Amino acid sequence: AQSVTQPDIHITVSEGASLELRCNYSYGATPYLFWYVQSPGQGLQLLLKYFSGDTLVQGIKGFEAEFKRSQSSFNLRKPSVHWSDAAEYFCAVGANNAGNMLTFGGGTRLMVKP
Amino acid sequence: KAGVTQTPRYLIKTRGQQVTLSCSPISGHRSVSWYQQTPGQGLQFLFEYFSETQRNKGNFPGRFSGRQFSNSRSEMNVSTLELGDSALYLCASSLWGIGGDEQYFGPGTRLTVT
Repeated sequence: AQSVTQPDIHITVSEGASLELRCNYSYGATPYLFWYVQSPGQGLQLLLKYFSGDTLVQGIKGFEAEFKRSQSSFNLRKPSVHWSDAAEYFCAVGANNAGNMLTFGGGTRLMVKP
Repeated sequence: KAGVTQTPRYLIKTRGQQVTLSCSPISGHRSVSWYQQTPGQGLQFLFEYFSETQRNKGNFPGRFSGRQFSNSRSEMNVSTLELGDSALYLCASSLWGIGGDEQYFGPGTRLTVT
């Protein structure tokens, strides 16, 4: 069965500082990996995805993520955080069959200090 | 292009009642998935529909059911509501509902069971 672990429940960074959110997954084959962001009271917005090919993927809002098969990781990074990035971030793995089920990690809540 | 819409946005029901939630996918998308989000369990997959057929189902009791109409709109129903059903219910749509398809989420329906 697939699973996703986000080891950090809360992270606080200063505005302008760099950010890295950790994600580890377990899946028997090549995974489909996603990062979503959720602002309070909102649904989930897709930041980026990895299917195959280049292991460094670029997303919206200046985010990027790197897929490392040897470490079963898909960490999200941003070089300079803005106050508007404060939100909850979810890593997810998708099954490579029909039915589209995403398995989510527990989420990391990001707080940004001015 | 309009995003995924969900109605109603907020709902308060009494234990034992039933509830129906509605989801309109992005135009052209044929797959609709439903997720439950709670503070304790996080984001959990309920089921997925494609061309009016349920193709995948998560680990939820039979009180949770759904359907999809010919225009791809979907409804989910929860019968005999329990206090633990209080959650944010999120709907996501994608083109084909196959592995790797990008899923776009609606804002959710916040259900409170008293």
